[in-house]
Amino acid sequence: DIQLTQSPSFLSASVGDRVTITCRASQGVNSFLAWYQQKPGKAPKLLIYTTSTLQSGVPSRFSGSGSGTEFTLTITSLQPEDFATYYCQHLYGYPLTFGGGTKVEIK
Amino acid sequence: EVQLVESGGGLVQPGGSLRLSCEVSGFTLSDHYMDWVRQAPGKGLEWVGRTRNKANRYTTEYAASVKGRFTVSRDESKNSLFLQMSSLQTEDTAVYYCASSSRASWRDFDYWGQGTLVTVSS
Repeated sequence: DIQLTQSPSFLSASVGDRVTITCRASQGVNSFLAWYQQKPGKAPKLLIYTTSTLQSGVPSRFSGSGSGTEFTLTITSLQPEDFATYYCQHLYGYPLTFGGGTKVEIK
Repeated sequence: EVQLVESGGGLVQPGGSLRLSCEVSGFTLSDHYMDWVRQAPGKGLEWVGRTRNKANRYTTEYAASVKGRFTVSRDESKNSLFLQMSSLQTEDTAVYYCASSSRASWRDFDYWGQGTLVTVSS
């Protein structure tokens, strides 16, 4: 099974900060890596798919990059509504797995 | 507008069974892969299982933690996806989401339901 390790698991940041979250896969996942945002009590929301494609309606301050086993989600100029938990997910073979999550909190 | 609405959650004793439903609207169920994802209280997301679309003969895949105990199925006439859960354990306590993709690559989940809570406890 492919394991996804997100880092950091928690980060404290201020409005306007640039934030980078890393997702490392235990083996290559081609480009089949997605990122989700989840707020308390809500279903996850897709932000990025196939590594770097921005989902329709998602602000352009979100971007994804990477290849093979190392991927990043970057939020330029963090906004108040971005404080949430972020998950990566691979969709390359079964089982599909999620990373452990990164909680972004207000400093 | 696409909607996925789960139902069927509740309190069940260890060893018991429960069937969850996910009613979909706004797309043709038979065209889509459909997945179940769960989230234990205060924990991260865990993929549970998948049923492929009609073109791929509705074949299924499961996480190791549920294989042999859970079954994903669908009823096109009811526009519904199901998750039959048996031999439930306390560690199956979670919010269960159904999810799917608008893209034929099936490499992301941009459609999600609101979730239904399953509590396994004596």
